[in-house]
Amino acid sequence: AQTVTQSQPEMSVQEAETVTLSCTYDTSENNYYLFWYKQPPSRQMILVIRQEAYKQQNATENRFSVNFQKAAKSFSLKISDSQLGDTAMYFCAFMKHRPGDRDDKIIFGKGTRLHILP
Amino acid sequence: NAGVTQTPKFQVLKTGQSMTLQCAQDMNHEYMSWYRQDPGMGLRLIHYSVGAGITDQGEVPNGYNVSRSTTEDFPLRLLSAAPSQTSVYFCASRGRGSNQPQHFGDGTRLSIL
Repeated sequence: AQTVTQSQPEMSVQEAETVTLSCTYDTSENNYYLFWYKQPPSRQMILVIRQEAYKQQNATENRFSVNFQKAAKSFSLKISDSQLGDTAMYFCAFMKHRPGDRDDKIIFGKGTRLHILP
Repeated sequence: NAGVTQTPKFQVLKTGQSMTLQCAQDMNHEYMSWYRQDPGMGLRLIHYSVGAGITDQGEVPNGYNVSRSTTEDFPLRLLSAAPSQTSVYFCASRGRGSNQPQHFGDGTRLSIL
C-alpha cells in the first residue's frame, strides 16, 4: 500500500521569503503521479502542481516548483517570493499509474499548515 | 460552469439520524470519490466509483454507503450517524486517464451531536 508522509505539521515564514515543504512517500510502483494541493481558509482544494514520475525534470508553476527525487521517494514543494495569499494548508498526494487499471486512487498526506507573516 | 456541486454546505444531525450528502458533477467524469477531512488526518478516502454502477471501498468506509446510478451523481449516505462522523466531507471527480486533474467540491461540514 502507498503512504504519503508530511513531516511538518505547521510552518511560518515572512512574506517574500522562500519556503520549502517536505513530502516523502512509499510505493513499489514505478509509474505514478505526485501532486501538491492548496487548501486556503475558504476550504477549497486547489491543485498547485503535478509531477509525473517518469519525467526527470522538476515541474514548475510560476512561484511554485518541486524537487522530485525518485530514488529517495521525496517530493518537496518550494514557494518563492511568498505572498500573504499563500497562507493555507498544503497537501501532498500520490496516485499510481497503470494503463488500463481503474483502481487509481489518490492518497493524501496529513498536510502542512503554512502561515505567511506580514 | 458548475463543476462539482455538493449539498448541503453545513448540516447538524443528532446521533442515530440518517442523512444523504449529495454530489453532482457536470463534466461527464467517470471517476468520483468521497473523502473526509479531520484535523491532523488529511483527506481520507471513504468510497469511490470508476463509473456508473461501480463502487468500491476506500480507506474508511464503515458507516457509509454509496451508489452510482448515473454518471453525474454520487450520493453518500449515513444510515445511523455517530459523533465520530463529525467531519468535513469532500466529493471529487476526474475524467478517464491518470493525467486528468481531480476536481473537488466545496465541502460539507457535518456535525453529529
